[in-house]
Amino acid sequence: QVQLVESGGGVVQPGRSLRLSCAASGFTFNDFAIHWVRQPPGKGLEWVAVILTDGNNKYYADSVKGRFTISRDNSENTLFLEMNSLRVDDTAIYYCARAKLRFLEWPQGGFDPWGQGTLVTVSS
Amino acid sequence: SYELTQPPSLSVSPGQTASITCSGNHLENKYTSWYQQRPGQSPIQVIYQDTKRPSGVPERFSGSNSGNTATLTISGTQAMDEADYYCQVWDVSTAVFGGGTRLTVL
Repeated sequence: QVQLVESGGGVVQPGRSLRLSCAASGFTFNDFAIHWVRQPPGKGLEWVAVILTDGNNKYYADSVKGRFTISRDNSENTLFLEMNSLRVDDTAIYYCARAKLRFLEWPQGGFDPWGQGTLVTVSS
Repeated sequence: SYELTQPPSLSVSPGQTASITCSGNHLENKYTSWYQQRPGQSPIQVIYQDTKRPSGVPERFSGSNSGNTATLTISGTQAMDEADYYCQVWDVSTAVFGGGTRLTVL
């Protein structure tokens, strides 16, 4: 079945870096855009970034632009999020989520499925 | 930036119909998705492209979108439907979520 498994979360000091991974299985990875979405403890969902199928087209939320980099390895069916200059307000559960629809229809269909999430805590 | 507004909470009795609204400027011109998130779990998509139901989602979940308001309707609400619900759209080059609605079934 379709599965997304995040890893790489942990506790990190403000200003430091962290790299998250998301291993995908059960579908043709190359056919789908993939997103990162985060959720601060006790709060709502916030979209972070998306990377399209070829890995060259990427979009970011203003809150992370210039600090976070999304990438993918289609040969390994893996998604990454490189997070630099981390701030206390980056503390959240980070989910990877596949686009519901393939190829160019990806903006229309939202996110399905989601991974189980990985917790990132930024604290001194 | 585009904004989506949801009521923070809604209560419904078992067996009744729950209607959760999501408001945004000219929302009918965008495709709306809805997500259910039970406590301690990852979100699950329950509606996409305004009205479509992913495989495995019960038929009691339905969606509509007209004017400035999208609505998630749960008919014959069950105790297991108690959860947070989020609407979401894509605007220009950004995904936008509503603030979420906590549905209580009592």
